[in-house]
Amino acid sequence: AQSVTQLGSHVSVSEGALVLLRCNYSSSVPPYLFWYVQYPNQGLQLLLKYTTGATLVKGINGFEAEFKKSETSFHLTKPSAHMSDAAEYFCAVSRRTSYDKVIFGPGTSLSVIP
Amino acid sequence: NAGVTQTPKFQVLKTGQSMTLQCAQDMNHNSMYWYRQDPGMGLRLIYYSASEGTTDKGEVPNGYNVSRLNKREFSLRLESAAPSQTSVYFCASWDPGTANTEAFFGQGTRLTVV
Repeated sequence: AQSVTQLGSHVSVSEGALVLLRCNYSSSVPPYLFWYVQYPNQGLQLLLKYTTGATLVKGINGFEAEFKKSETSFHLTKPSAHMSDAAEYFCAVSRRTSYDKVIFGPGTSLSVIP
Repeated sequence: NAGVTQTPKFQVLKTGQSMTLQCAQDMNHNSMYWYRQDPGMGLRLIYYSASEGTTDKGEVPNGYNVSRLNKREFSLRLESAAPSQTSVYFCASWDPGTANTEAFFGQGTRLTVV
């Protein structure tokens, strides 16, 4: 069975500092991996995804994530935090088969301190 | 392009009442999903429909029923609402298992059961 863990339910960073949100997964087969962002009172929006090819994936709003198979990780980073980055972030995993479901992690709430 | 549309956006029910949450997508996706979001627990899958005419249980199906009315529409029904079903409900659609896969989410339904 697949599962996703996110270390840290809440992360605070200063504006301009590095953002690092951790995600580890378990999957019996190579998965697809996703990061979603949820702004207050809104639905989820895809930040980036890894399906195949280059293991360093760039997404919207300056975020990127690196797939490390040996560490079963897909950590999300951004070099310089902006106030507008304050949101809930979800890591998710899906198997590489048709008609499969996506499993979400518990989420990490990011606060950005001015 | 509306994407995924959920109705209603807000609802208050009394314990024991019933209601149906509606979801429609206009992206011709085969798969549709219902999640609930609770603080600290991420998104948990209630039911999903891999294709028109099929439905399957997710992680937390008890107390819910679903209907895949056609390819566009997937409804979630609470037959006898309980306070434990107070949550934010999200509908999503996508076609998993492809390199271009991405889940699209509705704006959510905030349900309170008193």
